[in-house]
Amino acid sequence: SQQGEEDPQALSIQEGENATMNCSYKTSINNLQWYRQNSGRGLVHLILIRSNEREKHSGRLRVTLDTSKKSSSLLITASQAADTASYFCATDVGGDKIIFGKGTRLHILP
Amino acid sequence: DVKVTQSSRYLVKRTGEKVFLECVQDMDHENMFWYRQDPGLGLRLIYFSYDVKMKEKGDIPEGYSVSREKKERFSLILESASTNQTSMYLCASSFFLRGRAQYFGPGTRLTVT
Repeated sequence: SQQGEEDPQALSIQEGENATMNCSYKTSINNLQWYRQNSGRGLVHLILIRSNEREKHSGRLRVTLDTSKKSSSLLITASQAADTASYFCATDVGGDKIIFGKGTRLHILP
Repeated sequence: DVKVTQSSRYLVKRTGEKVFLECVQDMDHENMFWYRQDPGLGLRLIYFSYDVKMKEKGDIPEGYSVSREKKERFSLILESASTNQTSMYLCASSFFLRGRAQYFGPGTRLTVT
């Protein structure tokens, strides 16, 4: 797997349900970020979690980080139609850039 | 709010043409980035710049060049467009190179025929 790989690749859930997507990575990180991309648009930063943090919340978003398993999860609670988008994790491993995964496509069904 | 704008949302060019993609940010960010996004490949970094007139190659710089003459503006240049450069191009900026969010423009969908 590559650095920063999301799972599942695609997810469809009913509106109102919770959505969980995961990100696994290979090397130690300084921090991990989650971004959202609506169809045909740019990415929007959602949340950043540092390597010494285990959990962060922002509104309906909850992000966890398990550095021992080299994984992170993004939970969206009480999903809404507007949450339909692709979600990307991005890892900062040092150096001059962050590395984006290929994304999870989330579809909220009415 | 940080605003990153890109000169075109959609662009169609012919093979061999020189193509300029412009990106402007209004938050006085030091760092600017150009990515391309392709289905199944995710975002790949083409070039980035950490200061005026400074540039660094990313993962896929071949066939591209960049220019940063002013802090707020970062241009991506395709010297001689080819069909394999058909893609979505995304510009981003950030205050620090690492440890902070990147702010993205809306993207330019370039088609080379």
